[in-house]
Amino acid sequence: NAGVTQTPKFRILKIGQSMTLQCTQDMNHNYMYWYRQDPGMGLKLIYYSVGAGITDKGEVPNGYNVSRSTTEDFPLRLELAAPSQTSVYFCASSYQAPVKNIQYFGAGTRLSVL
Amino acid sequence: AQSVAQPEDQVNVAEGNPLTVKCTYSVSGNPYLFWYVQYPNRGLQFLLKYITGDNLVKGSYGFEAEFNKSQTSFHLKKPSALVSDSALYFCAVVRNSGNTPLVFGKGTRLSVIA
Repeated sequence: NAGVTQTPKFRILKIGQSMTLQCTQDMNHNYMYWYRQDPGMGLKLIYYSVGAGITDKGEVPNGYNVSRSTTEDFPLRLELAAPSQTSVYFCASSYQAPVKNIQYFGAGTRLSVL
Repeated sequence: AQSVAQPEDQVNVAEGNPLTVKCTYSVSGNPYLFWYVQYPNRGLQFLLKYITGDNLVKGSYGFEAEFNKSQTSFHLKKPSALVSDSALYFCAVVRNSGNTPLVFGKGTRLSVIA
C-alpha cells in the first residue's frame, strides 16, 4: 500500500552540485509528473511522462532532466544546482490522462540550494 | 490555454460555520475541474472532481463544489467547518479533450478557528 514514494525527504546542495530525486509508484500508473511548489506560487509542472520511454516538458523544465525507463520509476535530475531551484518537489502519478483520473502525490522532497 | 484563479490567499472561518473557497477558471472548450487538499508536510490529496452531469459535486470529508458554467466558477463548500479542515486547498482545471496536463491554482489557505 505504498503508492508514490519519493526519496530523499530533505536535501541541502551547494551551488553547482548535481543530484537525482527519486520517485517510484506501485500502482501500475501510466502517467507520472514532477512538480515544484514555491510559497504563494502553487504547483508548477516541470516534466511529465505518459509511459515508459516517453517524456515531455511542462511549464518550468529548464535546469532539469528526466527519464522513464520503467513504468514504476521517474527520476528527476538536477545537473547544476542553482539557488532558484530551492523548492519543494512533488512527484505524482495517474492511471490515465488527467482529464478523467485523479493524481496521487508523494510526500515531497524539500531541497535547499545554498 | 487554460488557467485557474483562486482570488483569496487566505480564508478564515469559525468552527461550525459554512465555508467557501473560491475558484474561477479559463479553458478553451469544456473543462474538467478538480479540488485537492494539502495538509502540512504532505503531498496533495484528491477531494473531488467535476467531469459532466450534475453541477453539484460531492467529495470526501463532507466537501462539495458547484460548477457554474456561466460564471466559469467551481467554488468549494462545506456546510459546517471543522478545525481539522485547516489546510491548503488547490483548484485545478484541464480541457476535456487531448492529453494536456492539469493546471493548478496558487492555492488558498483555510484556517478554521475553534
